[in-house]
Amino acid sequence: EVQLVESGGGLVQPGGSLRLSCAASGFTFSDYWMNWLRQAPGKGLEWVANIKEDGSDKYYLNSVKGRFTISRDNAKNSLYLQMNSLRAEDTAVYYCARTASEYCSTASCCHSVWGKGTTVTVSS
Amino acid sequence: DIQMTQSPSTLSASVGDRVSITCRASQSISSWLAWYQKKPGKAPKLLIYKASSLESGVPSRFSGSGSGTEFTLTISSLQPDDFATYYCQQYNSSPGTFGQGTKVEIK
Repeated sequence: EVQLVESGGGLVQPGGSLRLSCAASGFTFSDYWMNWLRQAPGKGLEWVANIKEDGSDKYYLNSVKGRFTISRDNAKNSLYLQMNSLRAEDTAVYYCARTASEYCSTASCCHSVWGKGTTVTVSS
Repeated sequence: DIQMTQSPSTLSASVGDRVSITCRASQSISSWLAWYQKKPGKAPKLLIYKASSLESGVPSRFSGSGSGTEFTLTISSLQPDDFATYYCQQYNSSPGTFGQGTKVEIK
């Protein structure tokens, strides 16, 4: 069964850091672009970052550039999101999601497999 | 960024009803539109991609239509498992952006 399981969420003070993880199983992880998306309370879904199959290309939402870093370890079938300088507006449920080429235009993609998410709360 | 607007925000319907949800883009996105179903505590589920292509394993009562700036998700006969929140997403340009969601409630 294809599965993505996020972990690492929690309560953190403004300015703090957190590292999210996503464990993949049931497919060849190294064959796919991977993404982080989030949903703030009462808001819609928002793409945050993505990373190429071999980790050589990475892209970020403007509001997280310089603060968040996406990475992956294909040997461990794992995706990560290092979040620094956290703000109250980063409070959200964070999802990892898989992208395949058949679900992409030349500029962007939709996502065929998602995890259940992990909750990040930034508050003093 | 392209803005996506869904209507209605909430829809009350009964089992067996035909329901439609509309998604409008702030500029043309060709057919690069996806629909997702979201239930509390569960992973979002891709239903439709490229405006009208049914994702594998999704029941045929779900269908999508439209192109350019206006799109529709239709459920031909609402089932108990379909009560959920539905989101559209454009992926014509980066970043891909989502609508605010339509909650389908039991009438």
